[in-house]
Amino acid sequence: QAQLVESGGGLVKPGGSLRLSCAASGFTLSDYYMTWIRQTPGAGLEWISYITSSGSITDYADSVRGRFTISRDSAKNSLYLQMNSLRVDDTAVYYCARTYSSGWFPGYHHMVVWGKGTTVTVSS
Amino acid sequence: DIQMTQSPSSLSASVGDRVSITCRASQNIDNCINWYQQKPGGAPNLLIYAASNLHSGVPSRFSGTGSGTDFTLTISSLQPEDFATYYCQQSYSTPITFGQGTRLEIK
Repeated sequence: QAQLVESGGGLVKPGGSLRLSCAASGFTLSDYYMTWIRQTPGAGLEWISYITSSGSITDYADSVRGRFTISRDSAKNSLYLQMNSLRVDDTAVYYCARTYSSGWFPGYHHMVVWGKGTTVTVSS
Repeated sequence: DIQMTQSPSSLSASVGDRVSITCRASQNIDNCINWYQQKPGGAPNLLIYAASNLHSGVPSRFSGTGSGTDFTLTISSLQPEDFATYYCQQSYSTPITFGQGTRLEIK
């Protein structure tokens, strides 16, 4: 059964860095598009980034572009989100999700398997 | 960015009721919309993809309709486990965006 487990969240000061991990089991992560989404009580669900199955294409929300980097390690069957220059408004629960994608936009891109999330708190 | 506006924001209903939740896109998105259910403390779960396709394992009481800018998620006969928050999500263009959610509560 496909499963995702996020880790790496915690408390960090503004301007700091964190690296989130997402360990996959029951499937080969590099066979799929993978997406990071975050959720806050105020802003709801926010798409952050995705990486294609080939790993050749990544995309980011404007709110994190230039500060966050998505990557993966096929040998460890894991997805990562490197978060730098963290701000208070990055505080959220971060989810990784296995994603079906038609491979183009406009197209079909839906998150099929979700992890349980990891909490990031940015505060001084 | 494409804005997704859900209505209502919250809804009270009883077991056995038929309920509908709507999502309006700020521009045409063809049928590039998905629906998710989220229960307290849990992650969202995919219900409907590409506007009207039922995800594997999702009960047939859930259905989705619409094309263009106006979409509807319908639950034909509410069950106790359906009380949750529902979100729409467009995949017509990046950034991918979600609706603000509809909280479905027990009356």
